[in-house]
Amino acid sequence: DAGVIQSPRHEVTEMGQEVTLRCKPISGHNSLFWYRQTMMRGLELLIYFNNNVPIDDSGMPEDRFSAKMPNASFSTLKIQPSEPRDSAVYFCASSFSGRFHEQYFGPGTRLTVT
Amino acid sequence: DQQVKQNSPSLSVQEGRISILNCDYTNSMFDYFLWYKKYPAEGPTFLISISSIKDKNEDGRFTVFLNKSAKHLSLHIVPSQPGDSAVYFCAASDSRLTFGEGTQLTVNP
Repeated sequence: DAGVIQSPRHEVTEMGQEVTLRCKPISGHNSLFWYRQTMMRGLELLIYFNNNVPIDDSGMPEDRFSAKMPNASFSTLKIQPSEPRDSAVYFCASSFSGRFHEQYFGPGTRLTVT
Repeated sequence: DQQVKQNSPSLSVQEGRISILNCDYTNSMFDYFLWYKKYPAEGPTFLISISSIKDKNEDGRFTVFLNKSAKHLSLHIVPSQPGDSAVYFCAASDSRLTFGEGTQLTVNP
């Protein structure tokens, strides 16, 4: 059984460039979460979707960040333009709404913005 | 404002002994608590949870204790095994998960 799939696993880009992170949740899960992990702030929730609809985006740092979930099996997190302070590991997670808190995490995308 | 705190960044124990990881929280609206385990280069993995209406939940070698009056959560692992070496995050929910900073557990053979 495939877990949450994220791509790319590593991304190195220059400041000002657009970055798109991708996530495929576990089949049948209807909640999807994007997290960011940094040394300074730890693991923090950016946004989550329920049945493809954004429910809580209060963790999105600023307008440079956007997330979409066009269907139940795919989501993207886009940063445009990217800045060095965006360097972090970005995790996608999914869960059943009935067991909302038991989230299954992907392996993460390590983003480095130079 | 850090609503979920793990004050010990690291813990080292001998194989076979008990590991006790601690977590404190400030938000009285949290009603569900969880522990996640994370290995390097992997995402966190759900380990065990507890509802605020309980004070203990056990799953094999893992037991989570909740002291609501003290706003304190702990995870006991007994007996500890070298494969338990990982970073452990506590998390609390009031509709969304808030994670602690993590504690690196090292179990020495």
